[in-house]
Amino acid sequence: GAGVSQSPSNKVTEKGKDVELRCDPISGHTALYWYRQSLGQGLEFLIYFQGNSAPDKSGLPSDRFSAERTGGSVSTLTIQRTQQEDSAVYLCASSLSFNHGADYGYTFGSGTRLTVV
Amino acid sequence: GDSVTQMEGPVTLSEEAFLTINCTYTATGYPSLFWYVQYPGEGLQLLLKATKADDKGSNKGFEATYRKETTSFHLEKGSVQVSDSAVYFCALSDFDSSYKLIFGSGTRLLVRP
Repeated sequence: GAGVSQSPSNKVTEKGKDVELRCDPISGHTALYWYRQSLGQGLEFLIYFQGNSAPDKSGLPSDRFSAERTGGSVSTLTIQRTQQEDSAVYLCASSLSFNHGADYGYTFGSGTRLTVV
Repeated sequence: GDSVTQMEGPVTLSEEAFLTINCTYTATGYPSLFWYVQYPGEGLQLLLKATKADDKGSNKGFEATYRKETTSFHLEKGSVQVSDSAVYFCALSDFDSSYKLIFGSGTRLLVRP
């Protein structure tokens, strides 16, 4: 697509429920990244995918968080048993490749605002 | 590890004022440096970048110079407009960050007419 698309744009969920957030990267971009933006905070890296390589999961805050990328395109970030501290904006980004992103930056989606009540 | 420190906001200016948003970084290697902008209700957009010392990135009237001696990448604009009101993020990528983007906490800019 023309840009990075994320859905839903807003999600309100009850504490303890599972949620799935979706990211559709720019067509042809092999690298995909998830970040979290909490209120008043900077962007916290969560996970990235590069082609068929094993993902870098070093930023996932707990084992309640997981992500997958099917067919090298669409990615889903899943949060199980949501907690109030999970409330944040979840941003997805993509780049032509990981190396390209390191030098030229990423293209970000508009994010999913998650509110856990 | 790598880190980015930005001046705290909000920064409030009148239209046509000069803007400086300070950014300093900590990195052991030779990072690439970026400024991103987030307009209200939108995602982050790359504003400008610099990949080596003394490079100047520029876009839409904004400039930032990669200063290795002071480990800084301050964002400047000579005359701000109301439409520049947004949150600005400084970021780096480096060997020590495994080349992932590491962001500062963001600086909110409010420009009054």
